Formats: sequence, structure tokens, C-alpha cells
Amino acid sequence: DIQMTQSPSSLSASVGDRVTITCRASQSMSTYLNWYQHKSGRAPKLLIYGASSLQNGVPSRFSGSGSGTDFTLTISSLQPEDFATYYCHQSYSTPYTFGQGTKLEIK
Amino acid sequence: QVHLQESGPGLVKPSETLSLTCTVSGGSINNYYWSWIRQPPGRGLEWIGYIYYRGSINYSPSLQGRVTISVDTSKNQFFLKLNSVTAADTAVYYCARNSRGNSSVWFDPWGQGTLVTVSS
Repeated sequence: DIQMTQSPSSLSASVGDRVTITCRASQSMSTYLNWYQHKSGRAPKLLIYGASSLQNGVPSRFSGSGSGTDFTLTISSLQPEDFATYYCHQSYSTPYTFGQGTKLEIK
Repeated sequence: QVHLQESGPGLVKPSETLSLTCTVSGGSINNYYWSWIRQPPGRGLEWIGYIYYRGSINYSPSLQGRVTISVDTSKNQFFLKLNSVTAADTAVYYCARNSRGNSSVWFDPWGQGTLVTVSS
């Protein structure tokens, strides 16, 4: 199985801050990496697919980068609605696996 | 816009079978792969398995032997059965559509999820 190590596990930030979340894979996986936003009680929402492609309707303040084993999700200027938990997800091989999640909280 | 909705019992007794249905509306179940994913309380997401509308399947090895995913294209539904459940199977269960591109496979959309508690 491909292990996904996501960091940090939690993060406190303020509205307007620039935030970066990282995900490292236990083996190279090209760009088979996706990012999701999850708010409690709601369906997880796809933000980024293929490491860097922005899903339709997702604000441009979200961006993704990386390939191989190291990936990042960046939020350029935090908005109040961005406080949530974020997960990376590898789809290079089954079983598909997720990072442990990053809980983004208001400072 | 495609919408997914999970349904099924919220409480299952230990050693019994967990059964869930995912109903797809606003689009056809045909031509796509469909996944089940779960999240135990306080823990991360775990992929359970997927099914193609024509019936080919792929299960997580961690659940192989206990899990069955099936599909009914006439009803635009797919199903999850997990037998011999224990408290460790208590989780929010999500269904999701797999989409594929040149650079990845991703889950979109997801259902809202349904909490299944295993307890006597």
C-alpha cells in the first residue's frame, strides 16, 4: 500500500493568511494526487485533482503542486469559509489511501 | 448535477451484516466507477472498494473477505454489505463517484455520509 504522510495535522491561522499543507507519498506516484475539503456533517468536496488541476467552481485561492512523492496544497488568502479539514488522496494504485488530514482552525 | 445519497440502518449488532444503499440521482450510474469510503470517529478516511457499472470490482485487502459491493443499474443504485461486523466498523460511510482523467482518478461527488454504529 502507498502510505500518505500529511503535515501538519493541525494548523491555526488567521483570515488573509497564506497556508501550505504538504503530503508525502511512500513511493513515486506521478500526479495521481487529489485534495479534498471536509466540513463536519457534510460531503467531502474535491478541490484539486491530478496534483494541480483546480476543480470547477473552486476558488482560485486554492492551488496544488508537486509530482512523484511530494505534494502541496496552498490557500493564498484564507477566507472564513476555508476553516475545515483537508485530506490528500492517492489514486496511483489500489488500495487508494488518504493522508491523516489537516485540521485548519481559526487563530 | 449528480447527487448521491446513502441509506440504511444506523445501528447494527456485532457479528451481523451492515447493509447500505447509495442512490444516484441527476445522472446515470452507467459508464462510471463507484466507491465506498468510511471514516471511523476521530480517524481518517478509508477506501473500502469500488464497482464499475458493468460489475467489475476492487476491494481493499483490509476488508477483503467481509465486503461485497454490487450494483443495480435499473435502479441507479449500488450497495455495500459488510459482514461479521465489530465495533471497529463503526464509522460514517460515504459513497462517491470515481472520475478518471489523464493525470489521476478522483472522487466527485460524494454523498453526505451515514453513521453506522455497531453495538448490541
